[in-house]
Amino acid sequence: GENVEQHPSTLSVQEGDSAVIKCTYSDSASNYFPWYKQELGKRPQLIIDIRSNVGEKKDQRIAVTLNKTAKHFSLHITETQPEDSAVYFCASLWNFGNEKLTFGTGTRLTIIP
Amino acid sequence: EAQVTQNPRYLITVTGKKLTVTCSQNMNHEYMSWYRQDPGLGLRQIYYSMNVEVTDKGDVPEGYKVSRKEKRNFPLILESPSPNQTSLYFCASRPVGADEQFFGPGTRLTVL
Repeated sequence: GENVEQHPSTLSVQEGDSAVIKCTYSDSASNYFPWYKQELGKRPQLIIDIRSNVGEKKDQRIAVTLNKTAKHFSLHITETQPEDSAVYFCASLWNFGNEKLTFGTGTRLTIIP
Repeated sequence: EAQVTQNPRYLITVTGKKLTVTCSQNMNHEYMSWYRQDPGLGLRQIYYSMNVEVTDKGDVPEGYKVSRKEKRNFPLILESPSPNQTSLYFCASRPVGADEQFFGPGTRLTVL
């Protein structure tokens, strides 16, 4: 089955700096890659996603890049703010004929004021 | 309001006592899933359903059962809970043709 590895497990950055979280996946058939943000005690919330036919997607301060050849994708957060502090999860999905969504193990991001 | 609801939100029980965690969505979504979240392991899929009467195993189905008799409901059944099933459980749904999953608020289960 699919395996998703996520690094780093913890990340501290100074407010205003950029943060990068990286994930690799094993199944070359995976075609959808979402990123979720989870605040303490809350449910995961989708913040950005990318499909396998796109190399990069940006939404304000957040961007995701995908390298299909290397089977890795990354989350980039620029101009970080205290409210960006949370746990971030990457995931991969092969959604033709099944619904198996595999998550990474998470990155705890702390923004230092 | 479009939402996924789970009940109960918190449950403390004892080993071997059958329990059911309910999940309901009011968005007419075809796909529904259950996940468990454990520290350091992220979210792992337990079971999923692609429509009424269609269910399949995720990555960690042992010790769990599900049913999908109606489109809106997808209960998670633990017939003989054990302490290693102590976890935070999330239900999620999404419609055909869209990628985003909508998560419920979570159920924190403790098995003593």
